[in-house]
Amino acid sequence: GAGVSQSPRYKVTKRGQDVALRCDPISGHVSLYWYRQALGQGPEFLTYFNYEAQQDKSGLPNDRFSAERPEGSISTLTIQRTEQRDSAMYRCASSSAVQTQYFGPGTRLLVL
Amino acid sequence: QQPVQSPQAVILREGEDAVINCSSSKALYSVHWYRQKHGEAPVFLMILLKGGEQKGHEKISASFNEKKQQSSLYLTASQLSYSGTYFCGTYNFGNEKLTFGTGTRLTIIP
Repeated sequence: GAGVSQSPRYKVTKRGQDVALRCDPISGHVSLYWYRQALGQGPEFLTYFNYEAQQDKSGLPNDRFSAERPEGSISTLTIQRTEQRDSAMYRCASSSAVQTQYFGPGTRLLVL
Repeated sequence: QQPVQSPQAVILREGEDAVINCSSSKALYSVHWYRQKHGEAPVFLMILLKGGEQKGHEKISASFNEKKQQSSLYLTASQLSYSGTYFCGTYNFGNEKLTFGTGTRLTIIP
């Protein structure tokens, strides 16, 4: 594909359920980033990968959040036992070696 | 710590100029500028890698003062399409994550 894709675009779930958000980066991009964005705010860093290695997960709010990128391409952000405060736009971005990050359309998560 | 942008919001008439500032409390390795329209993903505008560097993109340019840990985005002869929220993103030395600023909402009116 030409750009970063994310699925699903919208996810409504009940409190306590687990959700998995998927990111498919631009082909050949080494680095993949996950962000959370509240309305009117800038993206907030969660975690990032170089190839399949998770380099920094300092932005993950707590241990209910995890991410993987097993083959160095597609990545999954998993939120276990979702809570209402997890409701947000989750964005993925990818970059090659020159740092410029290209963002996907995001997944809007609503926890009821 | 999050970079601080100023102003928070600005309204311009089409054809007017604007300056958006981004200030960091930490030494900067690079500054990135993004524009985000309502309901859309942030779109990359430009990256500044060197202190004192200035870059241009159509009628949008930017400067980076490494010593002052600041960057400014200049929009000249603004067009309706420039409307949106502008974010700076900063990379600090020894830190490979992009930290986004507080954002500046720009509204262009005919």
